[in-house]
Amino acid sequence: GNSVTQMEGPVTLSEEAFLTINCTYTATGYPSLFWYVQYPGEGLQLLLKATKADDKGSNKGFEATYRKETTSFHLEKGSVQVSDSAVYFCALRGNNRLAFGKGNQVVVIP
Amino acid sequence: EAQVTQNPRYLITVTGKKLTVTCSQNMNHEYMSWYRQDPGLGLRQIYYSMNVEVTDKGDVPEGYKVSRKEKRNFPLILESPSPNQTSLYFCASSRTNSNQPQHFGDGTRLSIL
Repeated sequence: GNSVTQMEGPVTLSEEAFLTINCTYTATGYPSLFWYVQYPGEGLQLLLKATKADDKGSNKGFEATYRKETTSFHLEKGSVQVSDSAVYFCALRGNNRLAFGKGNQVVVIP
Repeated sequence: EAQVTQNPRYLITVTGKKLTVTCSQNMNHEYMSWYRQDPGLGLRQIYYSMNVEVTDKGDVPEGYKVSRKEKRNFPLILESPSPNQTSLYFCASSRTNSNQPQHFGDGTRLSIL
């Protein structure tokens, strides 16, 4: 079945640092890939998406590229802000089903 | 405003007492889904619905029921809640196409004592 794996553990970094969160997936067919962000006490919000191989999704300075050859969709941001502190989920949609990674807590320190 | 509305937002109840969490969306979306979020496990899909009167099991359907009598509503029913169903629950909706993102409600925190 479909599954998504995110790197273990929270991520703590200083303001203006470079952020990478790894995401790899297993799926049959040609899934769409998403990154969602969850702020405290809120539901998940779409951050960006990519629907086919080599597509790059981008939003608010975040980017991720759909790499079919490595089955990856890593999230990156060149210079994080305190307001980027949140939990980030990688997700896959295929065959009418959705699979989410376990999420990564990101804490940005001023 | 486009939104997914869940009620209640918080509920503390006891084992075995039937409860229903309502979910309503105003975007005319065909696809609706329920998830539970647990520490260290991320979000897991409980049930989903492709359209009215069409529902299917997700990854963790045991102990839950759903119904889809109208397009806008997708209630989650716990017939006999147990403590292991204590969790944070999210409803979401989207267009059917697989490239469409989910729109999430704000969540319902259930505590089963």
